[in-house]
Amino acid sequence: EIVLTQSPGTLSLSPGERATLSCRASQSVSSSYLAWYQQKPGQAPRLLIYGASSRATGIPDRFSGSGSGTDFTLTISRLEPEDFAVYYCQQYGSSPPGTFGQGTKVEIK
Amino acid sequence: EVQLVESGGGLVQPGRSLRLSCAASGFTFDDYAMHWVRQAPGKGLEWVSGISWNSGSIGYADSVKGRFTISRDNAKNSLYLQMNSLRAEDTALYYCARAFGGVLDYWGQGTLVTVSS
Repeated sequence: EIVLTQSPGTLSLSPGERATLSCRASQSVSSSYLAWYQQKPGQAPRLLIYGASSRATGIPDRFSGSGSGTDFTLTISRLEPEDFAVYYCQQYGSSPPGTFGQGTKVEIK
Repeated sequence: EVQLVESGGGLVQPGRSLRLSCAASGFTFDDYAMHWVRQAPGKGLEWVSGISWNSGSIGYADSVKGRFTISRDNAKNSLYLQMNSLRAEDTALYYCARAFGGVLDYWGQGTLVTVSS
């Protein structure tokens, strides 16, 4: 089973700053089957990125994903007030599918 | 508009059973695999189970294997999760989600399951 480790646990930044979130897999994620989700308090998660770097429908281009193999990154180029949330990575390329990382909270500094 | 509406949650005693449902609308249900994901209070996301469009492929997390059963009724556009032998650690908000190539592209708002005596 692939284990995903996200870092840092919490990221304290100001609006307008750049956020860099890391997701490291215990073994290679096949075909870059890595997704990122955003979750705000009291809401369901929302898909941001799939295939490591493809933005989901309606996702602003300040969100970008990169990486392959075991190391993946979600970058938010300039934080907007609505971007402060918890972000999860997920692998969906091996069995069992759907393993999530433990999450990174992006909070206002 | 894609809609997923979960129901069936509630307070249940340890060892008892509960059946969750997820009503889907706004898309061709039998074109998609479906999944259940849960979130314990204040915790992260945990994948629980998934089922292919035709029920031919099913998977479970180790934490629920042998106790939970996922199923679907394509004629009713519905997904189910039968949960038996419930434990305190099963307490969580349970989401159903549509899978697009394994990616969970739409989520319901969840139904809360509380296991307590």
